[in-house]
Amino acid sequence: AQSVTQLGSHVSVSEGALVLLRCNYSSSVPPYLFWYVQYPNQGLQLLLKYTSAATLVKGINGFEAEFKKSETSFHLTKPSAHMSDAAEYFCAVTKAGGYNKLIFGAGTRLAVHP
Amino acid sequence: DTAVSQTPKYLVTQMGNDKSIKCEQNLGHDTMYWYKQDSKKFLKIMFSYNNKELIINETVPNRFSPKSPDKAHLNLHINSLELGDSAVYFCASSQPTGTNEQFFGPGTRLTVL
Repeated sequence: AQSVTQLGSHVSVSEGALVLLRCNYSSSVPPYLFWYVQYPNQGLQLLLKYTSAATLVKGINGFEAEFKKSETSFHLTKPSAHMSDAAEYFCAVTKAGGYNKLIFGAGTRLAVHP
Repeated sequence: DTAVSQTPKYLVTQMGNDKSIKCEQNLGHDTMYWYKQDSKKFLKIMFSYNNKELIINETVPNRFSPKSPDKAHLNLHINSLELGDSAVYFCASSQPTGTNEQFFGPGTRLTVL
């Protein structure tokens, strides 16, 4: 079975500060991991993905995440927050190949204040 | 060009009614999904079809019936709507090989009164 835990349902940072959104996963098989962003009243947009290649993954909008197998973590970071980063962020896990569903975490709402 | 599109974007209806949501993808993917996002923003898989065949059916009430007329379309029909069906429903598509990255539609916000 697979599961995802996102620590912190709400994170608030100042503009220009480091963004750190935490994601821990559980998987009995090698996982594929994703971060999606959801802006208000919109669909989900892929930020980045880990699919067993490089453990440090760079995504869009300056975000990156590091896969740490020993810690079963896939935390999302951005060096300097922008007001436009305010959104809901979802971490998700799936299995390689086949017809596999995404298992989502509960989401983290990121607020960015001036 | 919209990769995954859904209609309608908003749907407001009375309890007991029957309604449908349509989804189309132009990515050439073989696999399509329906996810439900509840009022707490939690996302959960409902169904998945691969090339018109049902492959995932997650303990969803049988009032929900997906239909895939071809691999580019996956519709969701809901009978006898209940208050608890109010949610945002997302369609997604992917290829079953490779990374299984899923592309999501804009969502349909269903409100049952």
